[in-house]
Amino acid sequence: DPKIIQKPKYLVAVTGSEKILICEQYLGHNAMYWYRQSAKKPLEFMFSYSYQKLMDNQTASSRFQPQSSKKNHLDLQITALKPDDSATYFCASSLRDWGSYEQYFGPGTRLTVL
Amino acid sequence: GDSVTQTEGQVALSEEDFLTIHCNYSASGYPTLFWYVQYPGEGPQLLFRASRDKEKGSSRGFEATYDKGTTSFHLRKASVQESDSAVYYCALRRMQQGTGSKLSFGKGAKLTVSP
Repeated sequence: DPKIIQKPKYLVAVTGSEKILICEQYLGHNAMYWYRQSAKKPLEFMFSYSYQKLMDNQTASSRFQPQSSKKNHLDLQITALKPDDSATYFCASSLRDWGSYEQYFGPGTRLTVL
Repeated sequence: GDSVTQTEGQVALSEEDFLTIHCNYSASGYPTLFWYVQYPGEGPQLLFRASRDKEKGSSRGFEATYDKGTTSFHLRKASVQESDSAVYYCALRRMQQGTGSKLSFGKGAKLTVSP
């Protein structure tokens, strides 16, 4: 059974619209993350949460807003979508957000903005 | 800031060839170094990690040794198989309190192994 679920797997959006990417983890982890992977850039850290609190934000734009409604959920809301937002977005989790705990990655949501 | 440099973008080998993928890093202190592997349509998976100078990480026949002197963590495998075809990422994470736990990735190396 998949331990990190990301929904949807594929997403097509029009410029200017808003989408929410869903992430749920069933590993009992306390820290969750978002990364982005595009053709232009390698895997790029976006956010980290620990116990549902924002710990680090490396995203320059406020159009990207993580939302943590439950301990094992970390959704990503993206507003005013642009073609440059086209990428695969990976959710990850780890037992803690410190130490050498492994980060486990989900299968990703591939977003295409037209 | 922290950075990871992988010089090979594409690596093409035949089965049983020797593999080397280079990784050099730049970070203050003693970062933990990782190798991740990514198969098509999947998220990255951890191969192994190393946290101290001269520590060797290994898994599935792959290995790398943390070298603080040369700031390197090169990935090697003595005999590759077709099933090893994937993208390999070197990454680092600084473990000092207050620096967060983000992984900084290299650009990745796509390995293609021919039978």
